Amino acid sequence: AQKVTQAQTEISVVEKEDVTLDCVYETRDTTYYLFWYKQPPSGELVFLIRRNSFDEQNEISGRYSWNFQKSTSSFNFTITASQVVDSAVYFCALSGGETSGSRLTFGEGTQLTVNP
Amino acid sequence: DGGITQSPKYLFRKEGQNVTLSCEQNLNHDAMYWYRQDPGQGLRLIYYSQIVNDFQKGDIAEGYSVSREKKESFPLTVTSAQKNPTAFYLCASSLSSSSYNEQFFGPGTRLTVL
Repeated sequence: AQKVTQAQTEISVVEKEDVTLDCVYETRDTTYYLFWYKQPPSGELVFLIRRNSFDEQNEISGRYSWNFQKSTSSFNFTITASQVVDSAVYFCALSGGETSGSRLTFGEGTQLTVNP
Repeated sequence: DGGITQSPKYLFRKEGQNVTLSCEQNLNHDAMYWYRQDPGQGLRLIYYSQIVNDFQKGDIAEGYSVSREKKESFPLTVTSAQKNPTAFYLCASSLSSSSYNEQFFGPGTRLTVL
């Protein structure tokens, strides 16, 4: 069975601080994909990034960066110089494998609040 | 614009009534999904469909039913058998059922049982 754990339920920072959201996963599959989604107060989930299990390169997109470490089964997400607009719930998710296919297993989410 | 629409945004139901939530997509995606989200929790998969006229149960299918008669439509019925239906319901779609494809989400329907 697949499992995703986001241990941080809520994080509160002041604008311009850097913040890292943790994600740890469990899977027996050798091929899998990891995702991060953002859920603003409006409720609709917005896709941020996908990473496959064979690509451990870190990725940077503007103020966002992701650190994938297969050895520790972690896929952490860092926001640099946070802004109020970053306030949202962030979900880490996992898909892949012969039985799971495109089904996503979500973590419970981290509520990020960026205060001005 | 391409995307996923869900209606209504808010829905109120009396206990014991069935209610159907609409989900339509014009992205020409093969796969569609229904999730349930409870306060402070992640999303849990109710049903999914990899192709027209086919669907499978997710992790919490009891008390729900779906149909997939058209590629662009995947309605979800919450039946009176669902013991605790008050929740936020999200519909999603992906290009195919490959695990590679990201899912695109609709704006959600908030269901409240009175």
